[in-house]
Amino acid sequence: AQSVAQPEDQVNVAEGNPLTVKCTYSVSGNPYLFWYVQYPNRGLQFLLKYITGDNLVKGSYGFEAEFNKSQTSFHLKKPSALVSDSALYFCAVRDMGRDDKIIFGKGTRLHILP
Amino acid sequence: GAVVSQHPSWVICKSGTSVKIECRSLDFQATTMFWYRQFPKQSLMLMATSNEGSKATYEQGVEKDKFLINHASLTLSTLTVTSAHPEDSSFYICSANRDGKEQPQHFGDGTRLSIL
Repeated sequence: AQSVAQPEDQVNVAEGNPLTVKCTYSVSGNPYLFWYVQYPNRGLQFLLKYITGDNLVKGSYGFEAEFNKSQTSFHLKKPSALVSDSALYFCAVRDMGRDDKIIFGKGTRLHILP
Repeated sequence: GAVVSQHPSWVICKSGTSVKIECRSLDFQATTMFWYRQFPKQSLMLMATSNEGSKATYEQGVEKDKFLINHASLTLSTLTVTSAHPEDSSFYICSANRDGKEQPQHFGDGTRLSIL
């Protein structure tokens, strides 16, 4: 079965510093990987995805993620954090079974300290 | 702009009441929609897959008679929490896939349900 793991419940980063939010995955075939962000009392917003192609994918709001097949990781990164980046981040993999449902990690709360 | 609309945003009601939550796809047809439940400081738990014109597919542990799902048209899925109790209080989110399996799902803004 497909699964994703986000080992950190919370990540604290000073404003202006680079940030990394970790994600590892387990899939039986080629992975369809996504990152989403959630602000308080809101639904999820799509940040970026990896389907195929370049291992470094760029997304919204200056975020990027690196697909590493050997380490089965898809870490989210940003070179310079903003206070407004503080939110809950979810890594997800698409289950290519009957319903193509999305399997989410448990989420990582990112705190950017001013 | 938003591609999935969810209504209402907030519901506060008495125990024993049934509550209906709507999820609409805007400007596209969604044969499949998904319903999630999110507890405070926790991840999204997939409750069920809503299939247009057929029965919903429920995840293990989700009570079908408690959480009724109807997907009567290609743009609307509804989740009805029947005879709601305080333990049903949660944040419910729907999503739909607009552009195929290689594209992200689009999420509604969620419904905060509070049962008194």
